Amino acid sequence: SQTIHQWPATLVQPVGSPLSLECTVEGTSNPNLYWYRQAAGRGLQLLFYSVGIGQISSEVPQNLSASRPQDRQFILSSKKLLLSDSGFYLCAWRGTSFETQYFGPGTRLLVL
Amino acid sequence: GENVEQHPSTLSVQEGDSAVIKCTYSDSASNYFPWYKQELGKGPQLIIDIRSNVGEKKDQRIAVTLNKTAKHFSLHITETQPEDSAVYFCAASLDGSARQLTFGSGTQLTVLP
Repeated sequence: SQTIHQWPATLVQPVGSPLSLECTVEGTSNPNLYWYRQAAGRGLQLLFYSVGIGQISSEVPQNLSASRPQDRQFILSSKKLLLSDSGFYLCAWRGTSFETQYFGPGTRLLVL
Repeated sequence: GENVEQHPSTLSVQEGDSAVIKCTYSDSASNYFPWYKQELGKGPQLIIDIRSNVGEKKDQRIAVTLNKTAKHFSLHITETQPEDSAVYFCAASLDGSARQLTFGSGTQLTVLP
């Protein structure tokens, strides 16, 4: 069966510090991968998605970036965090033969 | 692009009563409609989905109905229990689109004991 992992689970970072969040998927190959941000406890905002290694599509201009160095690894990064980057970050995956997206447990980021 | 509107934003029901959450979508080409349940501090979990070639789907206490003509779909939860309390999201998808799901804004369901 497929599983999706995210780490860290929680993170407190000062403004201006860098960020690296990691997402990995097991039990599948060549998945589509997604990063979402959820602010104020609701509303899922799609940030990036990837259909393959090195292929990243950005949905919202911001100081975040994403990379996919391996087939089942998706990384969300920032060089300098802003207060507005605080939120709940969710990674999701989808197989290429069906439409359903499955979400990871999320990373709660607090920027102080 | 696709736009999904979800109502109500909050819903309180007595335990044992039914709950209904409604969503409308704008793109008539959308053909896949999942519903997710998100408990506090956790990632959303798929609870039921429906495709455009079906009008209704049921799984125990949960059902989803789809009206393609009116471009709306609804989640029905019967015999609600306290553990049904969560935020529920609807979504719409166009088959073959890698970008895929467009989400509604969510409904906070509270089941009162």
